[in-house]
Amino acid sequence: SQQGEEDPQALSIQEGENATMNCSYKTSINNLQWYRQNSGRGLVHLILIRSNEREKHSGRLRVTLDTSKKSSSLLITASRAADTASYFCATVTNSGNTPLVFGKGTRLSVIA
Amino acid sequence: SAVISQKPSRDICQRGTSLTIQCQVDSQVTMMFWYRQQPGQSLTLIATANQGSEATYESGFVIDKFPISRPNLTFSTLTVSNMSPEDSSIYLCSVRRGTSEGETQYFGPGTRLLVL
Repeated sequence: SQQGEEDPQALSIQEGENATMNCSYKTSINNLQWYRQNSGRGLVHLILIRSNEREKHSGRLRVTLDTSKKSSSLLITASRAADTASYFCATVTNSGNTPLVFGKGTRLSVIA
Repeated sequence: SAVISQKPSRDICQRGTSLTIQCQVDSQVTMMFWYRQQPGQSLTLIATANQGSEATYESGFVIDKFPISRPNLTFSTLTVSNMSPEDSSIYLCSVRRGTSEGETQYFGPGTRLLVL
């Protein structure tokens, strides 16, 4: 069953704007990972944030994690047309070597 | 990171036939996973395949329909048996590897399957 729920389901912005996607989950986690998928291809790992971390940066990406609210956000700054893709959050629970459970994803369109 | 390759990258198959998808990883990993992504949907875990043991299937997936082999620490196969149009999906192989960030999971490029 789905652990994470992203919102919005779809987001359309102009190039240069910032894009924020949110993810909520249901159970305690060990870590949360964000992925990008272009046009039905394989998933590209973007960033991992551990349950004891609150914020993480990687280039134009900023991820926050609020374990009290069971939510995370992915911010893409100064978006580019090449950022157009689907973005998924996925969680690993605290129960040992459990597999990733994915949310439904946000489809981001960046218009040039 | 991990370099994962899958074969075939895509295929069009007739109903009632079977297709075996291969997954090759650039180095040894303990845990390998197979996911399915139906059109316009998110990823759903089919099974976890650890070397030296039987695959563990998620609810809704059975070994007779999706037999998995894991002969060594760098390779796995997933067979989609007796296919129907409902099996049309992207099938993705995935591995987990420890990194400086934590236990990071990586994905292959996927196999796009269309069943007619």
